[in-house]
Amino acid sequence: QLVLQESGPGLVRPSETLSLTCTVSGASISRGNWYWGWIRQPPGKGLEWIGNIHSSGSTQYNTSLKSRVTISVDTSKNQFSLELSSVTAADTAVYYCARLVDILSTILFDFWGQGTLVTVSS
Amino acid sequence: SSELTQDPAVSVALGQTVRITCQGDSLRKYYASWYQQKPGQAPVLVIYGKNKASGIPDRFSGSSSGNTASLTITGAQAEDEGDYYCNSRDSSGDHVVFGGGTKVTVL
Repeated sequence: QLVLQESGPGLVRPSETLSLTCTVSGASISRGNWYWGWIRQPPGKGLEWIGNIHSSGSTQYNTSLKSRVTISVDTSKNQFSLELSSVTAADTAVYYCARLVDILSTILFDFWGQGTLVTVSS
Repeated sequence: SSELTQDPAVSVALGQTVRITCQGDSLRKYYASWYQQKPGQAPVLVIYGKNKASGIPDRFSGSSSGNTASLTITGAQAEDEGDYYCNSRDSSGDHVVFGGGTKVTVL
């Protein structure tokens, strides 16, 4: 059974960088043709895709966040990470990591972490 | 704004059928996936394309026509209450998008 677990600070100061790590257990992040993604959900609002990374290192980012986002992978630790720079209160959200499967004309997030709330406040 | 459009809320009587729709130009080319989210919990994959995810009851089904994907719950149960999100690729195929979500209430 694949398990994903987010970790990182729950409080970040405005203008600083939000950093989160997702630890994957139950499967090797470097095997299989999977992508590993980050999704966020502001309080009371819908889901927003942040970006994905493949074990090869190739990335895709949400255009609206691209200038501030970096997603990286550490296959030796079976982890992938998110950095979001210059945060504001609008970045306050529950952040989820998930596995993305791309099957021809269908994409799906089949396993999700439990989510971690990150609050941006001074 | 989202490239996938969902109705904000729908209600259904217990045991009846409800269809949730997701509209977007990219759905002419790509299939949608559907997720159920209950308060305080992570989303759970329900349907991808026309396929049910593992462990999902048979009352859930997915379909697609033109620019619209649909999730149908046949014989809705109280435990089906929650928010439902569709997702797919955007029109360029390079990015992932989510619909705004539909809140389902079982009366």
